[in-house]
Amino acid sequence: DGGITQSPKYLFRKEGQNVTLSCEQNLNHDAMYWYRQDPGQGLRLIYYSQIVNDFQKGDIAEGYSVSREKKESFPLTVTSAQKNPTAFYLCASSIRQYREKLFFGSGTQLSVL
Amino acid sequence: SQQGEEDPQALSIQEGENATMNCSYKTSINNLQWYRQNSGRGLVHLILIRSNEREKHSGRLRVTLDTSKKSSSLLITASRAADTASYFCATELIQGAQKLVFGQGTRLTINP
Repeated sequence: DGGITQSPKYLFRKEGQNVTLSCEQNLNHDAMYWYRQDPGQGLRLIYYSQIVNDFQKGDIAEGYSVSREKKESFPLTVTSAQKNPTAFYLCASSIRQYREKLFFGSGTQLSVL
Repeated sequence: SQQGEEDPQALSIQEGENATMNCSYKTSINNLQWYRQNSGRGLVHLILIRSNEREKHSGRLRVTLDTSKKSSSLLITASRAADTASYFCATELIQGAQKLVFGQGTRLTINP
């Protein structure tokens, strides 16, 4: 089945620790995105990538980093510089950037220990 | 202030009734999309309406777009318990960095 797979579903971070959230898609989509969702809120864009080896900051990129070494993969690292990381993180992809619908993964809930 | 704002923030109706949610935005758009999110899950695309379209239908869903008023509405007819979810509008801006801006959502509860 085609789709987007996010892992893990739940993740806990200790103080000063970097953690990496995985996002893999087998839809052959060019564009991929990371969003953050806080309780009762909409989605805020962290980073996006239109092609391999290229990515741009979104609205709230501070404290996060990404890479796009393969078309299928777009991992997100939450660094120790992100002081309020507790949130629901969603990865998405689209055929091209934004002209068509986004396909979302099932999300990763990140909490701080 | 939000580019996309949904109204109401929460809506509770009886099964079988129609549900209407509204979305207002501030700047010109290429398209507007509606998504559904079940609790703790990812978003699912429902419908996309382009700036030169006024109305689209998909099953029990009807979306309208009024670019002069910068607003859109999502109508769900003959609601079912399975329609209980949060509904988000997302606008693709014309100007500035190309991106999709999500509103804060309407939480819809269908009572059996």
